[in-house]
Amino acid sequence: AQSVTQPDIHITVSEGASLELRCNYSYGATPYLFWYVQSPGQGLQLLLKYFSGDTLVQGIKGFEAEFKRSQSSFNLRKPSVHWSDAAEYFCAVGAQSGGSNYKLTFGKGTLLTVNP
Amino acid sequence: SQTIHQWPATLVQPVGSPLSLECTVEGTSNPNLYWYRQAAGRGLQLLFYSVGIGQISSEVPQNLSASRPQDRQFILSSKKLLLSDSGFYLCAWSVRRLGSDDQAFFGQGTRLTVV
Repeated sequence: AQSVTQPDIHITVSEGASLELRCNYSYGATPYLFWYVQSPGQGLQLLLKYFSGDTLVQGIKGFEAEFKRSQSSFNLRKPSVHWSDAAEYFCAVGAQSGGSNYKLTFGKGTLLTVNP
Repeated sequence: SQTIHQWPATLVQPVGSPLSLECTVEGTSNPNLYWYRQAAGRGLQLLFYSVGIGQISSEVPQNLSASRPQDRQFILSSKKLLLSDSGFYLCAWSVRRLGSDDQAFFGQGTRLTVV
């Protein structure tokens, strides 16, 4: 069964600084990889996803993520953080779980605080 | 375009009272529908999913139930709420099954506090 680890529960950065949120997964093959963002009291919105091909994927709001098979990682990055990026970020892994069944597993999230 | 509506946004209910949360999707047909619960620091837990009318799969044993009376309507219910049912409940839909190459579209969530 697949699993997802987001090692950082809470990260604080200054506005304008660069950002990297870590995500590690456990799965026997290459899974489907997603990053979602959740603003306070809201639902989740998809930032980006990786299925195959170029391991560096671009998403909305200036975010990008890089799939590294050797490290089983899918870290989210942004070169310059804006105050509006303050939110909780979830990494998710999708994979087959037997026959034609699929399973999506979310990490526990990383809360991002942006200081002015 | 597709939209998902979830209500109410917040709810405070006494222990032992019933619960009904509703979710509707517009602009698509035969969606896959999901109920998630989110507890602080614990990520999202899938409670139920449905691939069609009347078809409900439960992921974890619990005090809750789900129903899908219409193609684009998904209801989360309980006959008697427990304190442990408090949390943030999210409805979501997708075209294909989540876990495949498809994304989830989430509602705005319901904050349930059982007192």
